[in-house]
Amino acid sequence: DIQMTQSPSSLSASVGDRVTIACRASQGISNYLAWYQQRPGKVPKLLIFGISSLQSGVPSRFSGSGSGAHFTLTISSLQPEDVGTYYCQTYDLATFTFGPGTTVEIK
Amino acid sequence: EVQLVESGGGLIQPGGNLILSCEGSGFSFTDPWMAWVRQVSGKGLEWVARIRSSAAGGTKTYSTAVKGRFTISRDDSKNMLYLEMRRLKTEDSATYYCAWEVPEGAFGYWGHGALVTVSS
Repeated sequence: DIQMTQSPSSLSASVGDRVTIACRASQGISNYLAWYQQRPGKVPKLLIFGISSLQSGVPSRFSGSGSGAHFTLTISSLQPEDVGTYYCQTYDLATFTFGPGTTVEIK
Repeated sequence: EVQLVESGGGLIQPGGNLILSCEGSGFSFTDPWMAWVRQVSGKGLEWVARIRSSAAGGTKTYSTAVKGRFTISRDDSKNMLYLEMRRLKTEDSATYYCAWEVPEGAFGYWGHGALVTVSS
């Protein structure tokens, strides 16, 4: 099974800061990489799929990049409503694996 | 508007059985590949099971943690997704979300979740 790791596990940044979250897979995963936001007490929300495709309705300050086994979620200008936990997720051989999550707070 | 509404959660003793349901609306239920994802309170997301559309063969896959105990199924005529959970363990306690799989193996739509508590 593919294992996913994320770094950092948590971060604190100021409003307007550029924030980067890294996700690493235990092996190459082609295009099957998604990012989710889960605000406190809320349902997970898909932000990015296929490494870099923005889900409909998601603000353009969110972007995804990477290839092989190394991927990045970037928030270009952190907003108060971006507080929450962010998960990467992959799909391989009909199974799905989530990363452990990165908690984002406002400084 | 796409809506997924789970039901059937509750308190169940270890070793017991429970069936979760998920009703979909606002879309053609025959098309999507559907899944169950769970989350222990305060912890991360864990994929549980997935079922392809009937047109794609209805193939079912399960996580190692639930294989042999849980069964995913769907009734497209009723717009319903199910998760039959047997021989429940305390570690199965979680909020269970049904989700609609979109291209590239991502989950584009989520229900609000059903809480399952396995405890004596």
